[in-house]
Amino acid sequence: QVHLVQSGGGVVLPGRSLRVSCAASGFTFTDFGMHWVRQAPGKGLEWVAMISYDGKNKYYADSVKGRFTISRDNSENTLYLQMNGLRDEDTAVYYCTKPPGRTFNWFDPWGQGTLVTVSS
Amino acid sequence: EIVMTQSPATLSVSPGERATLSCRASQNINNYLAWYQQTPGQAPRLLIFGASTRATGIPARFSGSGSGTEFTLTISSLQSEDFALYYCQQYNYWPPFTFGPGTKVDI
Repeated sequence: QVHLVQSGGGVVLPGRSLRVSCAASGFTFTDFGMHWVRQAPGKGLEWVAMISYDGKNKYYADSVKGRFTISRDNSENTLYLQMNGLRDEDTAVYYCTKPPGRTFNWFDPWGQGTLVTVSS
Repeated sequence: EIVMTQSPATLSVSPGERATLSCRASQNINNYLAWYQQTPGQAPRLLIFGASTRATGIPARFSGSGSGTEFTLTISSLQSEDFALYYCQQYNYWPPFTFGPGTKVDI
């Protein structure tokens, strides 16, 4: 059974940095790209970033490009999102999620979510 | 960027009734569309992929249809646990992967 267990998050001052993690189990981590999706309080879902199965290709939403970095440690089956230069509008629940394979990108399952609050 | 729209924003129905939710893409996305359900405080759950294929464990009362730019999620007979938010997502043209704004199904 696939499990995505997230950690990190918390309250951070504007302009500061934070890293969230996602520990994967129940599948061959190195076979799959991975994604981060976020949800601001009371708002809809926003795709944030994607990393290929081997970590060589990374894609970002324009809203986070240049500030956020997605990465993975395939030896530890762990996905990361390093968030720098955080802004008030980055306040959201961040979810890691997995596509079904290398060709299509719907998302299933999702991690439990981790709340990042940017506030002074 | 593909813009996804959903209607209505809120759908008020009674248990046992049929619910029809719409999703529209700003360009042809073929059938590269997924539907998700989200209940308060929970992560989204995949319902439908490929516009019409139910995900594992999803009850048969959920069905998806459409292709191109117009899509529909139908819940044939609403159960109490179906009152939730529903999002559509396109995965044909990326990045970015884009979601609709959601439809809230409530009583």
